[in-house]
Amino acid sequence: DAKTTQPPSMDCAEGRAANLPCNHSTISGNEYVYWYRQIHSQGPQYIIHGLKNNETNEMASLIITEDRKSSTLILPHATLRDTAVYYCIVRNVHSGAGSYQLTFGKGTKLSVIP
Amino acid sequence: EAQVTQNPRYLITVTGKKLTVTCSQNMNHEYMSWYRQDPGLGLRQIYYSMNVEVTDKGDVPEGYKVSRKEKRNFPLILESPSPNQTSLYFCASSLRSSGNTIYFGEGSWLTVV
Repeated sequence: DAKTTQPPSMDCAEGRAANLPCNHSTISGNEYVYWYRQIHSQGPQYIIHGLKNNETNEMASLIITEDRKSSTLILPHATLRDTAVYYCIVRNVHSGAGSYQLTFGKGTKLSVIP
Repeated sequence: EAQVTQNPRYLITVTGKKLTVTCSQNMNHEYMSWYRQDPGLGLRQIYYSMNVEVTDKGDVPEGYKVSRKEKRNFPLILESPSPNQTSLYFCASSLRSSGNTIYFGEGSWLTVV
């Protein structure tokens, strides 16, 4: 699976949008971009995923650049409970057993400030 | 409520005393796996199972065993725990279809002294 690069940490004011970037310049055509977060050593929580189109759900929006080499996770109105480590993962969903193994990097530690 | 349940959540044990961490999911998922998380090393996969009676090694299987006798359960067995197995453990599950979301349990803190 392609590697990802994320900033180690970011701050965001409560109520503002949090924009978390991720670079995945070696992503291949079969690889999706997934985002998970981990709140203080709890189990990683799925947020959103996409292939090439922008996606939105009740938690967040995912913006993927046209060349697919980078993406941005947007939390539209960050709250204190969004403080967590956010992981950007690229995943080949067509590679058999390997597609079920998520490779977590170091992620971005997002701190939402009151 | 759809969930992955692990037990125990916290355990302190002694070197060499066999222990089992249970994992159960109520979503009829075919795929289940175990990860461990250590500071500076991130999450690493220990074992996984694609279905009942089908298991395979992940990246760090040494010192662990698993079994998959029923679809809903995937216990992690430490036959002779050692201090280097002190870690935070996560069980995960997913439907087998491509691209399905992988769900994680809440974690089990294991300390081996």
